[in-house]
Amino acid sequence: TQLLEQSPQFLSIQEGENLTVYCNSSSVFSSLQWYRQEPGEGPVLLVTVVTGGEVKKLKRLTFQFGDARKDSSLHITAAQPGDTGLYLCAGHNFNKFYFGSGTKLNVKP
Amino acid sequence: DTAVSQTPKYLVTQMGNDKSIKCEQNLGHDTMYWYKQDSKKFLKIMFSYNNKELIINETVPNRFSPKSPDKAHLNLHINSLELGDSAVYFCASSQVQGSRGAFFGQGTRLTVV
Repeated sequence: TQLLEQSPQFLSIQEGENLTVYCNSSSVFSSLQWYRQEPGEGPVLLVTVVTGGEVKKLKRLTFQFGDARKDSSLHITAAQPGDTGLYLCAGHNFNKFYFGSGTKLNVKP
Repeated sequence: DTAVSQTPKYLVTQMGNDKSIKCEQNLGHDTMYWYKQDSKKFLKIMFSYNNKELIINETVPNRFSPKSPDKAHLNLHINSLELGDSAVYFCASSQVQGSRGAFFGQGTRLTVV
């Protein structure tokens, strides 16, 4: 059973636009991670959030963990073509990472 | 230096064959995993090992047998390959309990013909 739903599934935007990707669940997680995966490569860890309400920034990327530790969002400011890729959220509980369905982002120059 | 490396990157084989995928991590992590990514890019856990001991076996067919000779290595052996086994298999590692996230290998694309 898939525990994490991501939206949107696909996103195609112009360079310079802002966007937000959502990761929702009915389960509480001890921590949540965001990864980016490029074709032919493995997922690369971007960030881990642990505390409810926590906000982390990584250059133009802002990650937030929901207060109840059930959901998260990823906001990208002024997207660039280099941001293109598959974004995956993953919740961690009981020695497992439960992955979301993924958001495929395409940033056009 | 590659943190998590798995070989081979591509594997094409016939139904019924037996094949192995090797994985090594140099991060000093205690926990290693095998994940399967399907054609829709959904990642599902198969196995998790902590200090060479199996801690998660996620209802994977018995044809799949992981082996961890030491905590830096986790190999995956697959017997009697079936068409439905075609997928990308990822090895990953994390610190104990994994709360800080996992580091993934480049993946092995297995194609069964």
